[in-house]
Amino acid sequence: EVHLVESGGVEVQPGGSLRLSCAASGFTFDDYAMHWVRQAPGSGLEWVSLITWDGDNTYYADSVKGRFTISRTNSKNSLYLQMNSLSPEDTALYFCVKGGVDVWTEPLDHWGQGTLVTVSS
Amino acid sequence: QSALTQPASVSGSPGQSLTISCTGTSSDVGSYNLVSWFQQHPGKAPKLIIFEGYKRPSGVSSRFTGSRSGNTASLTISGLQAEDEADYYCSSYAGSSASFVFGAGTKVAVL
Repeated sequence: EVHLVESGGVEVQPGGSLRLSCAASGFTFDDYAMHWVRQAPGSGLEWVSLITWDGDNTYYADSVKGRFTISRTNSKNSLYLQMNSLSPEDTALYFCVKGGVDVWTEPLDHWGQGTLVTVSS
Repeated sequence: QSALTQPASVSGSPGQSLTISCTGTSSDVGSYNLVSWFQQHPGKAPKLIIFEGYKRPSGVSSRFTGSRSGNTASLTISGLQAEDEADYYCSSYAGSSASFVFGAGTKVAVL
């Protein structure tokens, strides 16, 4: 059974930095692309970032490009999101999501429970 | 990376059918049959219920069906049940921007 557990979400001041982690189990981690998707309180889902199975290619939403960095360590079955220059608009529940073998054509098929990031002074 | 357009809410009585629309552009929904639909109950993580426009993951009820016409994808829930009350989100690959885009979500109420 696929299991994704996010951690690292805390309250941080505007302009601050944070690193989220996601521990994956129940599947061959280094076969699949991985995503981060966020959900602001009371709002909808927003795709944030994607990394290919080997970490060689990364993609970002315009809203986070240049501030966030996605990475992975396949030997540890772990996904990360480094978040810099945080603003209140980044306040959200951040989900770690399993993608497909094919980055673009296969769906986001398993989701973690999310970790809450709050940006506030 | 503009969001897909969904109605804010739809409602129906038990046993009825309802349809949720998801309108994009020729850069996303219209060009790729790669629309996914997710169901999210309050306080829970989203769950994939439709992918590649019409396919259902194992274990998802056949009461959920997906379709597409032009730039608009649709999710139909037939034989509406109380447990179907949830938020539903569509998503599509947006090739021109190498990204994914979500709709704003539709709240389904079972009267």
